Amino acid sequence: DGGITQSPKYLFRKEGQNVTLSCEQNLNHDAMYWYRQDPGQGLRLIYYSQIVNDFQKGDIAEGYSVSREKKESFPLTVTSAQKNPTAFYLCASSLWAAAGNQPQHFGDGTRLSIL
Amino acid sequence: GNSVTQMEGPVTLSEEAFLTINCTYTATGYPSLFWYVQYPGEGLQLLLKATKADDKGSNKGFEATYRKETTSFHLEKGSVQVSDSAVYFCALFDVDSSYKLIFGSGTRLLVRP
Repeated sequence: DGGITQSPKYLFRKEGQNVTLSCEQNLNHDAMYWYRQDPGQGLRLIYYSQIVNDFQKGDIAEGYSVSREKKESFPLTVTSAQKNPTAFYLCASSLWAAAGNQPQHFGDGTRLSIL
Repeated sequence: GNSVTQMEGPVTLSEEAFLTINCTYTATGYPSLFWYVQYPGEGLQLLLKATKADDKGSNKGFEATYRKETTSFHLEKGSVQVSDSAVYFCALFDVDSSYKLIFGSGTRLLVRP
């Protein structure tokens, strides 16, 4: 079955450490997205990519970095510059970014906590 | 700028009760509108969508009608089940928003047997 796989499901970060969250999709979608979800809040966009080797900052990109070397993969690195990284991170994809009537498909998320 | 406002939760209902979750939006263009559902510990799943005024999206007994005159997209279900307990997010997509979905803050629904 096609879908989006996020790993790991739970991740712990030490002070001063960078950690990378994996996101893989086999839906042949061009666009991919990373969101952050905090308790009782909606989703906020961190980065998005419309095509391989291209990505744009979302609303809360500071302290995060991404790469898009392959169509299927869009890893997110939470750097030590992100001072409040504890959150639930969701990866999503869609057929292409400009298609407003095409829904985004979501992975099951990674919960990141600080040790 | 563009935004989505949802009613605050939690909404607590008994099984077979009627559900309404209000959603209103602000947008400069002609957005597509979506309802997503999130079950505990999972990502979001698309529940239904509507892409133009007066469209009605429906799925699994849930319905929502795109009302441009009131800028609303309220979610309704005639008879809720315990398995409907989840968080529901209203969202809009507008190409003027740099190709991104704008989400409401979510409404938690708890259905008691």
